[in-house]
Amino acid sequence: QQPVQSPQAVILREGEDAVINCSSSKALYSVHWYRQKHGEAPVFLMILLKGGEQKGHEKISASFNEKKQQSSLYLTASQLSYSGTYFCGAALEYGNKLVFGAGTILRVKS
Amino acid sequence: DTEVTQTPKHLVMGMTNKKSLKCEQHMGHRAMYWYKQKAKKPPELMFVYSYEKLSINESVPSRFSPECPNSSLLNLHLHALQPEDSALYLCASSQDRQYNQPQHFGDGTRLSIL
Repeated sequence: QQPVQSPQAVILREGEDAVINCSSSKALYSVHWYRQKHGEAPVFLMILLKGGEQKGHEKISASFNEKKQQSSLYLTASQLSYSGTYFCGAALEYGNKLVFGAGTILRVKS
Repeated sequence: DTEVTQTPKHLVMGMTNKKSLKCEQHMGHRAMYWYKQKAKKPPELMFVYSYEKLSINESVPSRFSPECPNSSLLNLHLHALQPEDSALYLCASSQDRQYNQPQHFGDGTRLSIL
């Protein structure tokens, strides 16, 4: 039931854009996005709900495609502070817990 | 600063020791979670408490024993742990268990078993 994240890792230069995808083989109720820096707690970014709209948070936004059961996280004009591991957490429509994807390591270089 | 406080930050224990991890939140959240995270892996759910009652145990070995004394506090009692139990233990809380609300994570306890 673990959602599949892609890519596994991405390296960007400051100012470049990135997209991280999170796919489920089962119907989703919600997708949660978190960023975790080395040695720190995961930090909540945003939640996408089934039937909900695209969300935005500064230069980070996300969408939820119900047909594909996929969420995408968009990072635009990346900054050094965006570096970290991004996890999506998927709550299934008839599930009772949040299951995290394997993570995407993002590194932004100057 | 996180709104979920975990203590201790680091813990080293032998396989015969008994210790406890503590988690506290004062956001009025009614769902609290324990996760285990190994290096370079995602958090793995261990236990879920909802309104102070255990609602999910993800087949966790009995050497881990959770306790929720009140709505703000969550403990994880450890006894006779194995070296493979060395990991970062994260506590999280959310408004409720509907999964339309974010989970707020504490900084974790880094546990090493000798």
